[in-house]
Amino acid sequence: SQQGEEDPQALSIQEGENATMNCSYKTSINNLQWYRQNSGRGLVHLILIRSNEREKHSGRLRVTLDTSKKSSSLLITASRAADTASYFCATDAWEGGSEKLVFGKGTKLTVNP
Amino acid sequence: DTEVTQTPKHLVMGMTNKKSLKCEQHMGHRAMYWYKQKAKKPPELMFVYSYEKLSINESVPSRFSPECPNSSLLNLHLHALQPEDSALYLCASSQGLRGVWDIQYFGAGTRLSVL
Repeated sequence: SQQGEEDPQALSIQEGENATMNCSYKTSINNLQWYRQNSGRGLVHLILIRSNEREKHSGRLRVTLDTSKKSSSLLITASRAADTASYFCATDAWEGGSEKLVFGKGTKLTVNP
Repeated sequence: DTEVTQTPKHLVMGMTNKKSLKCEQHMGHRAMYWYKQKAKKPPELMFVYSYEKLSINESVPSRFSPECPNSSLLNLHLHALQPEDSALYLCASSQGLRGVWDIQYFGAGTRLSVL
């Protein structure tokens, strides 16, 4: 089952522009993580935000979390061609008696040079 | 060393073959994971090992058989697969101390094609 759902599904921007991706989830969470995946490769962890945090920064990344709306956003500022990748949010979810990390559908970001 | 190494990178197998995927990490992590990822989809959890014991099995068909010989190694044994099992298989590891609060480190994956 899906806990998180990103939008847009695909985003194409020019180098230097900012990119914003959104993630909505269904049930209450303890934390939310964002991962990046280059085409056909493994995922790389970007940032973790706890449910009691509203905003977190890491370099050119800014993540916000609104637990009342069950949503999070990932902002990449001054994008570069190397930021081209798929971005997934992941939330903790109880399913089948176990707590696990469940990934959203992802946003495919293309940064054009 | 923050690397998770998966071998092979690519695998083509027939439906009657038996093959194994391997995963190795030397970060001292005590939780290891297998995910399956179809094209343009998110990773789907298959198995979790915590301290070398199988802790989560996501009702995966028995033609997939995981094994954790020690804290650094994770195998996925494949037998009598179906063409719909063709996918990218990702291994990940985490410290294993904080469950879903752990950051997971992923390998580059094995691209599996079942003919």
